[in-house]
Amino acid sequence: LAKTTQPISMDSYEGQEVNITCSHNNIATNDYITWYQQFPSQGPRFIIQGYKTKVTNEVASLFIPADRKSSTLSLPRVSLSDTAVYYCLVGDNAGKSTFGDGTTLTVKP
Amino acid sequence: DAMVIQNPRYQVTQFGKPVTLSCSQTLNHNVMYWYQQKSSQAPKLLFHYYDKDFNNEADTPDNFQSRRPNTSFCFLDIRSPGLGDAAMYLCATSNPGGGNSYEQYFGPGTRLTVT
Repeated sequence: LAKTTQPISMDSYEGQEVNITCSHNNIATNDYITWYQQFPSQGPRFIIQGYKTKVTNEVASLFIPADRKSSTLSLPRVSLSDTAVYYCLVGDNAGKSTFGDGTTLTVKP
Repeated sequence: DAMVIQNPRYQVTQFGKPVTLSCSQTLNHNVMYWYQQKSSQAPKLLFHYYDKDFNNEADTPDNFQSRRPNTSFCFLDIRSPGLGDAAMYLCATSNPGGGNSYEQYFGPGTRLTVT
């Protein structure tokens, strides 16, 4: 399984764009990258998935370079309610997957 | 609403006393996962089922077992809980071939306390 590395924490202010990068140097050909948000005492919640290049949905964008050894989750105009732990997850859809250590994002007023 | 349900939400057991955690899903997903999450750590995959095919992670202790009697239900059995097994246990499902085919749907978790 690919090992993933993320920054432990990040601070931001309301209205700013936040970019969180995850390194996954040993990503396999069949692996996809997904990102999750987790609030205390809750299960993780899916944000976005991608294989390469750029993916955008209603809440975030995901940038994946050609070598796929990293990925960047971009959250536009964060609010206080975006304070949470963000995890990247690398794996195939047959069950093999590895969570990163998570990035605690703190959004300040 | 379709969802992943975990019961109980909080479980207290005694050191060495077997305990079973349950997970059910109304999503009809093929894959079910069990994760262990300790305080301030990332979820750690214990094992998963792809349909009836059981896949154990190499570093999952033998103390942890799982059963999946049908598509909807999956159980985590801890045969002899130790103090180090106190954690949040998360169940998740996924549907390979679905829209966001790599999305895992998580239940709310069961917080296990070992006394």
